[in-house]
Amino acid sequence: GDSVTQMEGPVTLSEEAFLTINCTYTATGYPSLFWYVQYPGEGLQLLLKATKADDKGSNKGFEATYRKETTSFHLEKGSVQVSDSAVYFCALADSWGKLQFGAGTQVVVTP
Amino acid sequence: SQTIHQWPATLVQPVGSPLSLECTVEGTSNPNLYWYRQAAGRGLQLLFYSVGIGQISSEVPQNLSASRPQDRQFILSSKKLLLSDSGFYLCAWNQKNYGYTFGSGTRLTVV
Repeated sequence: GDSVTQMEGPVTLSEEAFLTINCTYTATGYPSLFWYVQYPGEGLQLLLKATKADDKGSNKGFEATYRKETTSFHLEKGSVQVSDSAVYFCALADSWGKLQFGAGTQVVVTP
Repeated sequence: SQTIHQWPATLVQPVGSPLSLECTVEGTSNPNLYWYRQAAGRGLQLLFYSVGIGQISSEVPQNLSASRPQDRQFILSSKKLLLSDSGFYLCAWNQKNYGYTFGSGTRLTVV
């Protein structure tokens, strides 16, 4: 079945550092891909999405490109802030429209 | 605008006690509804989804059940809680052409 694999955390960075969180997927067909963010004590918020190959999703300085050839959707941000500390989930919408999530990656940004 | 309400925010229940978590959606009709669980240190697992009143699909065998008595109401229940039912429960909805929207979550601790 469809699945998502993302790098394990926690990832600890200093403010203004470059962030990359790797995400790869296995799916039949052409799923839509998402990154969600969960701030401490809160639910999930959609960060960005891409619906077809080579699409780039972007929001709040974060970017991810849908790479069909490598089945990847890596999340990047050029300069992180303390407020970016959160858990980040990569997800795909399978052929039935259900979201399948990766295990989540905790990111800790220190001043 | 569409909103999703989930309550309670936190809950501490003894082993063997019943459970009822409620989720309601406003501002839309005939949404797809979902219950996810996030166990400590783990990713999000889809528990149940519903495409209409009385239509429930279970993703994993477990001690929980779900019901959809009204179009915009989704209830997660258990007759007797287990310690392993502890976790963070998230309700979500989506419709074609809309992304997923998540509730703020319920943190359940079974003691």
